[in-house]
Amino acid sequence: GAVVSQHPSRVICKSGTSVKIECRSLDFQATTMFWYRQFPKQSLMLMATSNEGSKATYEQGVEKDKFLINHASLTLSTLTVTSAHPEDSSFYICSASGSRDPVGTQYFGPGTRLLVL
Amino acid sequence: QKEVEQDPGPLSVPEGAIVSLNCTYSNSAFQYFMWYRQYSRKGPELLMYTYSSGNKEDGRFTAQVDKSSKYISLFIRDSQPSDSATYLCAMRLNTGGFKTIFGAGTRLFVKA
Repeated sequence: GAVVSQHPSRVICKSGTSVKIECRSLDFQATTMFWYRQFPKQSLMLMATSNEGSKATYEQGVEKDKFLINHASLTLSTLTVTSAHPEDSSFYICSASGSRDPVGTQYFGPGTRLLVL
Repeated sequence: QKEVEQDPGPLSVPEGAIVSLNCTYSNSAFQYFMWYRQYSRKGPELLMYTYSSGNKEDGRFTAQVDKSSKYISLFIRDSQPSDSATYLCAMRLNTGGFKTIFGAGTRLFVKA
């Protein structure tokens, strides 16, 4: 149980284009989803927290207009990197928490590696 | 000062050794403590979680929380090469949503 998938696993795009990453909870309802960014050999940097049906809460320093997050259902959240630039190249990981889990344990997806040329 | 401090390593041990991984934290209000394992180029997977102080054992893994010292540990017995990964400690409050603070992660290498 508690499986989270991400798609795509890898994406290469040209500078200036937009990229959408999907995060799905496959066997539970995710009331809260998180989006992280991870640089090589560094820990997870929380970008934003999203609750189903609500606007995402962004961490300080994260541009809302650049990283668009949509949590349209209890099993799907999307992160769109708009007008991507090489400095946006990174490993993006989502996680999900279910309402039935009192601990609020986060279950992570496998990550999406983004390379912007 | 970071809220959660974790030595990034790397930590290299021979197969069969007992591994001790540790984190310290500054916020005494943290109530939930978790350990995640992350293999290279993969998302983290939850290993164990504990609530408040005490020990919790699961197979070869033991998680320990000492709230008085603001110190948590993960012990791995009979370590295997397959345990080679980055281990991240994580913790959160009992309120205020599920925002979790992660340590930087310790890279572990278990040599055969």
